[in-house]
Amino acid sequence: RKEVEQDPGPFNVPEGATVAFNCTYSNSASQSFFWYRQDCRKEPKLLMSVYSSGNEDGRFTAQLNRASQYISLLIRDSKLSDSATYLCVVRANTGNQFYFGTGTSLTVIP
Amino acid sequence: SAVISQKPSRDICQRGTSLTIQCQVDSQVTMMFWYRQQPGQSLTLIATANQGSEATYESGFVIDKFPISRPNLTFSTLTVSNMSPEDSSIYLCSVEGAEFYGYTFGSGTRLTVV
Repeated sequence: RKEVEQDPGPFNVPEGATVAFNCTYSNSASQSFFWYRQDCRKEPKLLMSVYSSGNEDGRFTAQLNRASQYISLLIRDSKLSDSATYLCVVRANTGNQFYFGTGTSLTVIP
Repeated sequence: SAVISQKPSRDICQRGTSLTIQCQVDSQVTMMFWYRQQPGQSLTLIATANQGSEATYESGFVIDKFPISRPNLTFSTLTVSNMSPEDSSIYLCSVEGAEFYGYTFGSGTRLTVV
């Protein structure tokens, strides 16, 4: 079983739509959770960390459900510039190993 | 967060040759990490580069194929040795930020082996 699994998509949504991505992780002792954004032919960049209480940054909301071992990312009022691949990242409870999901592709359509 | 300069940004190499990728960080960091991202795939950790000791390799990666240097706390190199087309990939170095800040990545090296 993979450490981190996420729906690869693609998600094609119109501008202004709300879209949600889910990601599941296998290690219940995992400590830290992140969403990264990767534009085509670019390196991944941290979008937001995911805190136990959930957190919001403008149009982006991240949630963590430890009982079900999944994290989610909600994007409201989608913009064309949100088009990218979104990577779910989980940090192991020991060492410095980060596990990356395969990414979910989002295309926002005019 | 740290700023990482990685080079070359891309290269096309003949099979059987070797390529060395460099990463320079603007601050001192204890550990640097080398990842590979094959086409259409997510990132896979190759090894962790520690200053003053041998790199720690993940399963499936060996020092003879991917020798790593870490001469000081701001610099590391990864060499892809005796390349084959299967080594065509993006190679990324990264450093860890403070807790909850995840990794910062270099801009990546896009390698094509022909």
